[in-house]
Parts: sequence; C-alpha cells; structure tokens
Amino acid sequence: AQTVTQSQPEMSVQEAETVTLSCTYDTSENNYYLFWYKQPPSRQMILVIRQEAYKQQNATENRFSVNFQKAAKSFSLKISDSQLGDTAMYFCAFMKHGSGTYKYIFGTGTRLKVLA
Amino acid sequence: GAGVSQSPSNKVTEKGKDVELRCDPISGHTALYWYRQSLGQGLEFLIYFQGNSAPDKSGLPSDRFSAERTGGSVSTLTIQRTQQEDSAVYLCASSLVRASGYNEQFFGPGTRLTVL
Repeated sequence: AQTVTQSQPEMSVQEAETVTLSCTYDTSENNYYLFWYKQPPSRQMILVIRQEAYKQQNATENRFSVNFQKAAKSFSLKISDSQLGDTAMYFCAFMKHGSGTYKYIFGTGTRLKVLA
Repeated sequence: GAGVSQSPSNKVTEKGKDVELRCDPISGHTALYWYRQSLGQGLEFLIYFQGNSAPDKSGLPSDRFSAERTGGSVSTLTIQRTQQEDSAVYLCASSLVRASGYNEQFFGPGTRLTVL
C-alpha cells in the first residue's frame, strides 16, 4: 500500500522569502503522479502543481516548484517570494497510474503561515 | 455552477441521528470521490464511483457509512447512527476518466459535520 508522509505539521515564513515543504512517499509502483494541493480557510482544495513520475524534469508553476527525487521517494515543494495569500494548509498527494480507482493518497498536511 | 458543489456547508447533529451529505459533481465528470478530513489527519479516501461500474467502497470505515450515486451524477453520503468520531469535513471530488494521462480531481468546498 502507498503512504505519504509530511513531517512538518506547521511552518512559517516571512513575506517575500522562500520556503520548502517536505513530502516523502512509499510505493512499489513505477508509474504514478504526485501533487501538491493548497487548502485555504475556505476549505476549497486547489491544485498547486503536479509531477509525473516518468518525467525527470521538476515541475514549475510560477512561484511554485518541486524537487522530485524518485529514487529517494521525495517530493518537496518550494514557494518563492511568499505572499500573504499563500497562507494555507498544503497537502502532498500520490496517485497511481493505470486502471482501477484513481484515488489520491494524501499526507497529513503542513500548515503554512506567511508573516507580514 | 461550473464547480463541484456540496450541501449543506455545515451540519450539526446529535449522536445517534442519521445524516445525509450531498455532492453535485462537475457536469460530464464520470468519476466521483468522497474523502474525510478529520482534525489533525490528512484526507482519507472513503468511496469512488465511476460510471456504471460497481463503486469502490474500500475506504468506508464502518457499515454505518454508505453512499449512492443516482443517474451517474449527484451523490449522497449517508452516515447512520452518528458517533462523535464521525465529526469531520467531508469532501467530494469529481474528475474525468481518461485512459492516458492523469485524471485531475476537482474538489467541492466540503461539509463540516459536527456530532454532539
């Protein structure tokens, strides 16, 4: 069974600084996807960034980028130039590729607070 | 609306009562998922519907939990004889299902259930 671990329950960062959120996972699958979701106080889950396991290049979306280390089963999220609107819970998620139930396996989340 | 909607937004009930939570997926999305988010926990998969296939109920925590999806669209999650440990945010998501590529899940705003 797959597991996802986020070892940082809470983090804070000064506005305009850079912060990195950690995520590790365990799987025997070779083809899968990894995601970072943001959940602000409104509870609406918003996809931040995704990574296909077969791609070696790290995904980037504007101020958000990942460091994907497949062999180490690590998938960290870097937020550059942090903004107050980045304050939220961040969840790392795993989804296997292929047939069957396309369910996400989520980590327990990291609560990020951006300080003015 | 264009997104996934859920109702009610908040539900307070007494221990032992039954509750029904509703999810309206994005039109055209054949897959529908229910997750539970408990305080301090990640998101826990509950059940998955895909088209006319038998649902994947592997995540339901007990036989007090059930769900149905009528006409391949709206879904209802029912919790019978609620217990205090059922207090959580219940999130619904929907997605397309494509044989290749990933199937991004779009989440609703959730229903916060409080069992007194």
